[in-house]
Amino acid sequence: DARVTQTPRHKVTEMGQEVTMRCQPILGHNTVFWYRQTMMQGLELLAYFRNRAPLDDSGMPKDRFSAEMPDATLATLKIQPSEPRDSAVYFCASGSTGPNNYGYTFGSGTRLTVV
Amino acid sequence: GENVEQHPSTLSVQEGDSAVIKCTYSDSASNYFPWYKQELGKRPQLIIDIRSNVGEKKDQRIAVTLNKTAKHFSLHITETQPEDSAVYFCAPRETSYDKVIFGPGTSLSVIP
Repeated sequence: DARVTQTPRHKVTEMGQEVTMRCQPILGHNTVFWYRQTMMQGLELLAYFRNRAPLDDSGMPKDRFSAEMPDATLATLKIQPSEPRDSAVYFCASGSTGPNNYGYTFGSGTRLTVV
Repeated sequence: GENVEQHPSTLSVQEGDSAVIKCTYSDSASNYFPWYKQELGKRPQLIIDIRSNVGEKKDQRIAVTLNKTAKHFSLHITETQPEDSAVYFCAPRETSYDKVIFGPGTSLSVIP
């Protein structure tokens, strides 16, 4: 089965440090999403891309978060500086705008702990 | 934007019983209605979906029914098993629009 690959799987960092999370979408998928999941907030959309162009990052705290897609095989989510409230699981998901496949495939997530 | 609700928020059933989870949405343009299952510590996975031109779809023990007029769709699980225990999310949308808002989730516990 095709997979969305996320790295790292786990990250523990000190407050104030930069964190970079990476995602390799499924080959041929042209939409990529970043979600954050906490117990309280469910699945919260942070940003998404279509054909590598950022379409919506309104869910993202712009002062510290940034999302990019330097090429079709890599999406990144950066937090600088990180804060304890950023502790969560960050999921990347990819999908296709093809006519017969509307579901999205999630990666295994990056569990971030900021101490 | 889309406003999505799920009911109930938690559900506990005996093994072998049926479970029904309802998702209500606000955007009448929505035409794609999926359900995702997330087991503890794992990623969400698409388990079943339906398009707006279909009223019901079945896949073994799971089914999805759609009432487009009332703007809700439901996930039905029959003969529940312990491995059905998970959080279930709905994510209705209009297919020409990529942005997906997930419902708040329903935590299903199947008691052996």
